[in-house]
Amino acid sequence: DIQMTQSPPSLSASVGDRVTISCRASQSISIFLNWYQQKPGKAPKLLIFGAYTLQSGVPSRFSGSGLGTDFTLTISSLQPEDFAVYFCQQRYSAPVTFGGGTQVEVK
Amino acid sequence: EVQLVESGGGLVQRGGSLRLSCVGSGFTFDIYAMSWVRQAPGKGMEWVSSISGGGGRTDYGDSVKGRFTISRDNSENTLYLQMNNLSAEDTAVYYCAKDKGDYDNSGSPPFAFHTWGQGTLVSVSS
Repeated sequence: DIQMTQSPPSLSASVGDRVTISCRASQSISIFLNWYQQKPGKAPKLLIFGAYTLQSGVPSRFSGSGLGTDFTLTISSLQPEDFAVYFCQQRYSAPVTFGGGTQVEVK
Repeated sequence: EVQLVESGGGLVQRGGSLRLSCVGSGFTFDIYAMSWVRQAPGKGMEWVSSISGGGGRTDYGDSVKGRFTISRDNSENTLYLQMNNLSAEDTAVYYCAKDKGDYDNSGSPPFAFHTWGQGTLVSVSS
């Protein structure tokens, strides 16, 4: 199975900060990488698929980049509603696997 | 509005069975692959199983193969997960998820989980 490693596991940031979250695959997954956001007690939400394609309705302050094994989710200017857990998922080969998540907390 | 509502979770003894249900609304249910994804306490997400829009194709994770059965009733817009021979390792919140599309000609769904339910907790006691 492909292992997905996210870093950092958690981070503290302030409104307006630029935030970057990393996701590394144990082998090349091309661009078959999705990002999700999960708020406490809420269902996860698909933010980005195919490494960099923004899901409809997701604010443009979210962006994704990367290819192969190293990927990044960037929030250009953190908003109050963005404090949440973010996790990545590869769909390059079965079984699909997820990263452990990154909690974005208020500084 | 696209919505998924799970039910059927609860406390069950080791070796027992449980059936989860997930009712979808706000979309054409039978043209999308559907999946179950679980999250054990303090752990990351784990894909459990997927089923094609028509129900003819199913896939399972190794940890549940032979014990869990995914199915769907498109006339009722409902997804099911029959779970047998449960163990403590199956304790988790179980989410149903709607994919971005259906299985393709290569036999795989998009595995981009577009919409998720709120989850239902399954606790297995030893």
